Amino acid sequence: EAGVAQSPRYKIIEKRQSVAFWCNPISGHATLYWYQQILGQGPKLLIQFQNNGVVDDSQLPKDRFSAERLKGVDSTLKIQPAKLEDSAVYLCASSLDRGEPQHFGDGTRLSIL
Amino acid sequence: RKEVEQDPGPFNVPEGATVAFNCTYSNSASQSFFWYRQDCRKEPKLLMSVYSSGNEDGRFTAQLNRASQYISLLIRDSKLSDSATYLCVVNDPGRRALTFGSGTRLQVQP
Repeated sequence: EAGVAQSPRYKIIEKRQSVAFWCNPISGHATLYWYQQILGQGPKLLIQFQNNGVVDDSQLPKDRFSAERLKGVDSTLKIQPAKLEDSAVYLCASSLDRGEPQHFGDGTRLSIL
Repeated sequence: RKEVEQDPGPFNVPEGATVAFNCTYSNSASQSFFWYRQDCRKEPKLLMSVYSSGNEDGRFTAQLNRASQYISLLIRDSKLSDSATYLCVVNDPGRRALTFGSGTRLQVQP
């Protein structure tokens, strides 16, 4: 079974620039999650999709972050404009359904200069 | 109070030792509990689910205490390869999402 695919693995940008991350979940998984993990902390949920609908984006900084999962499969997360405090690893995860164990991708390590 | 609290460690133990981690959670309505393992610069991976009756998987035993709202992970006969950060994960039934603790770092030494 193919795992969760994410790209790119690493990204370095300057503050105020834009960046986008891509995620392809495990086939058949209805639920997709984007997490932000700052060094020394656990993953923090940014947004959760059930198929192509958003079910929880309460912790997403909507003034600069956006995400979509238009066809209910792969997803993109965008940051525009980036701030220094956005430096983190952005993890995508998927599960068969909400509340089920989640499987993570390798993550994208973002550095803001 | 944090939703999920863990001792960050590090726990430094010799090979062969038994080590236990505890985790407390604040939402009494939580129903699902997990332990994830995260190696340095890697993604979290599911280690085991935690059931009300407790469960064991080889050298790993997980326990749930609903009355006190904590879960534990016991590792017997520690191996060097057990060195990692162990994340306690609790579901938020209202949001149907998982909340991760900050993790407990384990370093097994030869």
